[in-house]
Amino acid sequence: NAGVTQTPKFQVLKTGQSMTLQCAQDMNHNSMYWYRQDPGMGLRLIYYSASEGTTDKGEVPNGYNVSRLNKREFSLRLESAAPSQTSVYFCASRELAGGSSEQYFGPGTRLTVT
Amino acid sequence: AQTVTQSQPEMSVQEAETVTLSCTYDTSESDYYLFWYKQPPSRQMILVIRQEAYKQQNATENRFSVNFQKAAKSFSLKISDSQLGDAAMYFCAILFSGTYKYIFGTGTRLKVLA
Repeated sequence: NAGVTQTPKFQVLKTGQSMTLQCAQDMNHNSMYWYRQDPGMGLRLIYYSASEGTTDKGEVPNGYNVSRLNKREFSLRLESAAPSQTSVYFCASRELAGGSSEQYFGPGTRLTVT
Repeated sequence: AQTVTQSQPEMSVQEAETVTLSCTYDTSESDYYLFWYKQPPSRQMILVIRQEAYKQQNATENRFSVNFQKAAKSFSLKISDSQLGDAAMYFCAILFSGTYKYIFGTGTRLKVLA
């Protein structure tokens, strides 16, 4: 049981390049999330998907797009990377649509935009 | 605005001693859930403990316990018998019932001194 997996673990991009961060979970969870973590800022929600087929903006969605490909996979795309998007990105999933269920996190992707 | 505040950027504790990490939040909602997550140097986010706001009894998980003061909107984490493996960033988070969005604090880095 792998839990939540993310690829790649590290990535360096040049300004203006595009890339997609992949996330998959094998726990049959309904909800999936993308966060970014910056020093002194904690985790900030970029986008989330409450269930397969739906996506919604979080706190900091500008410059990002997401796709909930199926129940297992939730990808995050940077169309034109900017240095301000240098961050550590975490994907998370959650079992229930409501309630107090915990989020399970992937190992993170460290992205540097030069 | 709904916010989570961790006022201690960094804390230190001697091995085997007790330490308390503070967390306060601001909301007008009455139904929510509170969490403490641990992020060791590996970056993997791990749930430490959770508390339902409707429960008056403070949650406990082995050496970890919380002091939940709903009227004061305070949710502190107490770590007893601190171990070297407790060294990590600790994040406080809130989830409002019926929603999907978690709000995280900015984190407290805990150092455990041998």
